[in-house]
Amino acid sequence: QQQVKQSPQSLIVQKGGISIINCAYENTAFDYFPWYQQFPGKGPALLIAIRPDVSEKKEGRFTISFNKSAKQFSLHIMDSQPGDSATYFCAASRGGGTSYGKLTFGQGTILTVHP
Amino acid sequence: NAGVTQTPKFQVLKTGQSMTLQCAQDMNHNSMYWYRQDPGMGLRLIYYSASEGTTDKGEVPNGYNVSRLNKREFSLRLESAAPSQTSVYFCATHSAGNTIYFGEGSWLTVV
Repeated sequence: QQQVKQSPQSLIVQKGGISIINCAYENTAFDYFPWYQQFPGKGPALLIAIRPDVSEKKEGRFTISFNKSAKQFSLHIMDSQPGDSATYFCAASRGGGTSYGKLTFGQGTILTVHP
Repeated sequence: NAGVTQTPKFQVLKTGQSMTLQCAQDMNHNSMYWYRQDPGMGLRLIYYSASEGTTDKGEVPNGYNVSRLNKREFSLRLESAAPSQTSVYFCATHSAGNTIYFGEGSWLTVV
């Protein structure tokens, strides 16, 4: 069964701290690993994504670390801000045309950043 | 640029009733998807369409039907709604740059 397991379910961080969310996958055919941010009442929005040919990708305060041998990837949010408070989802899919959008999602992490 | 538009935003149905969720995109994307989101389970793929006139089942297709009548529109139909179909439904499209764009969701309650 294709699964993506995400932890923790919820996370509380102080402003300026580092938020870390972890995901593990089972299907070695996955080759596209995005992270989505979702605010209440809104649809998920792409935050950052990585392919397995690199071990790390950084965009501003957001970094994905990828460990292919362990089948794990994580999201690091540096200098966390109250505006980062949202639900974060990791996901995975097999590449190639329409298959990119056939995402398997993790269960989600509710991040709260206290001022 | 509206992106991905879903209607209705909220709907309450009685068990056994039917309804159609509408999705329209103005980004000229070929691929479109329907997901449902339930608490603690992330999003799960119901159906998808690689192009106009084609549809395929996703992870949880039972109880649903879809129609891709043209490039812009992809509808999701519940023929006989059940309480287990109470969920938030998201339509999405896939750009050539491999970004998936989601609509704002349709909240469906079946009583």
